[in-house]
Amino acid sequence: GQQVMQIPQYQHVQEGEDFTTYCNSSTTLSNIQWYKQRPGGHPVFLIQLVKSGEVKKQKRLTFQFGEAKKNSSLHITATQTTDVGTYFCAGRADNDYKLSFGAGTTVTVRA
Amino acid sequence: DAGITQSPRHKVTETGTPVTLRCHQTENHRYMYWYRQDPGHGLRLIHYSYGVKDTDKGEVSDGYSVSRSKTEDFLLTLESATSSQTSVYFCAIKPGPRAYEQYFGPGTRLTVT
Repeated sequence: GQQVMQIPQYQHVQEGEDFTTYCNSSTTLSNIQWYKQRPGGHPVFLIQLVKSGEVKKQKRLTFQFGEAKKNSSLHITATQTTDVGTYFCAGRADNDYKLSFGAGTTVTVRA
Repeated sequence: DAGITQSPRHKVTETGTPVTLRCHQTENHRYMYWYRQDPGHGLRLIHYSYGVKDTDKGEVSDGYSVSRSKTEDFLLTLESATSSQTSVYFCAIKPGPRAYEQYFGPGTRLTVT
């Protein structure tokens, strides 16, 4: 079945620095989604990418979908303490109502 | 929050006892999902439902059963709880036929001793 791998598992960042988390699928995806989970909370939908090579921005967050639709990245610039949490990618195959989640990247921020 | 509630929010139970977790939604969504979350594994799909009495297995369905007799309720049952089922359980909905994102409930933390 479809597998989605996410790296790194942990990211310790100095406040103000940039970082990137990566997501790779074993199969071609119809779309990919990103979620954020704050400590003690539930996953919250951030964004969905559908097109090959698509890039979307949300303030300091930049999301990219690879040309082959098998990988994605999330880049955060000028990290703030509000960025703390775990970021998950989730891939969906064509004609499927299920998502396959990556294991997540847990971000901590040093002030 | 897509009108999703889960009950109970916390539960401690003993090995071998049956446990039922409830997911309730107020917005008449057709698709509902049960996940478990464990460190290092992300969210793993247990079962999902695509309508009343229509359910299917996910990747980690062994030891779990589900029922959906009403649109608004999706129940997850552990027939005989084991320590390996200690986890945080999340329910989610998909908001529409052409929308593929999911919205999650607050979760249930289950501990099996």
